[in-house]
Amino acid sequence: DVLMTQTPVSLPVSLGGQVSISCRSSQSLVHSDGNTYLHWYLQKPGQSPQLLIYRVSNRFSGVPDRFSGSGSGTDFTLKISRVEPEDLGVYYCLQSTHFPNTFGAGTKLELK
Amino acid sequence: EVKLLESGGGLVQPGGSMRLSCAASGFTFTDFYMYWIRQPAGKAPEWLGFIRNKANGYTTEYNPSVKGRFTISRDNTQNMLYLQMNTLRAEDTATYYCCLNYAYWGQGVMVTVSS
Repeated sequence: DVLMTQTPVSLPVSLGGQVSISCRSSQSLVHSDGNTYLHWYLQKPGQSPQLLIYRVSNRFSGVPDRFSGSGSGTDFTLKISRVEPEDLGVYYCLQSTHFPNTFGAGTKLELK
Repeated sequence: EVKLLESGGGLVQPGGSMRLSCAASGFTFTDFYMYWIRQPAGKAPEWLGFIRNKANGYTTEYNPSVKGRFTISRDNTQNMLYLQMNTLRAEDTATYYCCLNYAYWGQGVMVTVSS
């Protein structure tokens, strides 16, 4: 299975600040069709995960431009600028290039 | 508006079976792959598998961790997705989600495997 390593595990932030979350995969996520199937989610307490970014850098419908994704191959980053209270929760990366699809262990974004 | 509503969860004894359902609406059901994902309390989600769309013959893929015990199926006349779970173990205890294209998730249904 492809191992998805997210860092850090916990990320204290001040409102209005900027943070980055890293996700590294144990093998390249470039699919044979040329796409890279790496996605980012936010899960707020008591809620289902919500899609933020799909295929590395594409914001899902309704996601503010404070969220941006980048990376290639095995190394990916989610950046959040001007953090707002509704951004707090656990962030997960997901790869759907290889079977079985696998999630990272999560990064908890919390207030300092 | 896309809606996914899971049902059928609850308490089941080890070794038992359970079928989860997911009622889908707001999109053309046969056009899309449908997924099942589970999440134990306090842990990361785990992909269980998916069933392909009409264009791809409604074939299935499974996580090896559940292959042979879990079966995904769909009723395209009722816009329903199913997860049949057999020989359940304590480690199958989790919230189970159905999901459209990884973009839209249901609210989840809890399954507890315990004697």
